[in-house]
Order: sequence, then structure tokens, then C-alpha cells
Amino acid sequence: GENVEQHPSTLSVQEGDSAVIKCTYSDSASNYFPWYKQELGKGPQLIIDIRSNVGEKKDQRIAVTLNKTAKHFSLHITETQPEDSAVYFCAASIEDDKIIFGKGTRLHILP
Amino acid sequence: DAGVTQSPTHLIKTRGQHVTLRCSPISGHKSVSWYQQVLGQGPQFIFQYYEKEERGRGNFPDRFSARQFPNYSSELNVNALLLGDSALYLCASMRTRSTDTQYFGPGTRLTVL
Repeated sequence: GENVEQHPSTLSVQEGDSAVIKCTYSDSASNYFPWYKQELGKGPQLIIDIRSNVGEKKDQRIAVTLNKTAKHFSLHITETQPEDSAVYFCAASIEDDKIIFGKGTRLHILP
Repeated sequence: DAGVTQSPTHLIKTRGQHVTLRCSPISGHKSVSWYQQVLGQGPQFIFQYYEKEERGRGNFPDRFSARQFPNYSSELNVNALLLGDSALYLCASMRTRSTDTQYFGPGTRLTVL
């Protein structure tokens, strides 16, 4: 079955700098790659997603890239702000039926 | 529009007991999925229901069961609770079965003593 590896597990970034989180997946049939942000005591919130027919997608300060050949995908957050501090999860699925999550990255934005 | 709602928010049970967790999807969404999130880990898929039928099952024992009602709300049942069942249980709704985005509820925090 699908396996998603995510790193780093913890990331500290100075406010205003960029943060990058990287993931790999194992099942070449996966075609949908969402990213979720989870704040303490809340459920995961979708922040951006990308499908396999696209190599890059951007939404304001957030961008995601996908390399299907290498089975890599990454989240880029630019101009980080204190409210970006949270746990971020990458995930992969086939036709959205069952989402397989990575173990998460705890992002700290330092003042 | 209201998001995915779950009840209760918190629950404490003892080993061997049974628990029922409830989920109401976003209005217009017909698919509900359940996930278990152990502290410090990513959510793990338990079940997906679409149009009141089970469409997918993760690697969980038969003590876990679920159902979906005509109004598309759903219940997750866990029998013979074990300490290891302590987790945040998340419900996610989706408009259809596939090609759409899953939106998560706030979860139910289950503690088994």
C-alpha cells in the first residue's frame, strides 16, 4: 500500500523567511496530494492541494511542487508569519478515496 | 455554511467499554470518512462511506464499525475498548466519492483508562 514519508519532523524559521517541507510517496498510482495544517485542538485544515497532471500550484504565500517521476512533492511557505506556526501534514491518495498522511512537520516561526 | 461537526468533543471511557462517535458532514456532501490520529502522528484511515455503503476500510480490527444514515451523517462505533484506542477521531466529508476534496471536522478526543 501507499506510504508517505515527510521531513523534517520539526522546523524552526525566522519570521519573514521561507519554510520548505518535503514528502515522498511510494505508490505511483497516487494522483492527489493535499497539504493540511493542524493547530492545537483542531482538525486538519486543507491549505493547498495538487493533482498529478500539474507540476506546481501557488496560492498567495503558499506553493506546492510535484515531481511524479521522483515521487516527491514539497510545500513552500514564503514570508512566514507567526500564525503559520502549526503542524503541517502532507498526504497522498488515489482518487481521494483514502488519504495516506505523513507523520507531520511541526513548524515554529521565531520572532 | 457550517463545516463538518462532530460529537462529543471529548470522551473518557474505561477498558472494555463501547463508544459511539457522531459526525455530520457539510451540507450537500454525501461521503464521510473516519480517521484515527494518535498523539504525534498523522491521521490514519479507518472507513469511508458513500451513499450509506462502506466504500473503503483501513487496517483496523473488527471492533471498529461504522454506518451512514439517509441524511449522510455517520456513526463510528468501537467495541471492547483498549488503552491503545485513545486518540483523536476525525471525520472528513466530501461531496462525492472521488475527485473532490475532503474537509475535516474538529475531532472527538477519546481517552481510554
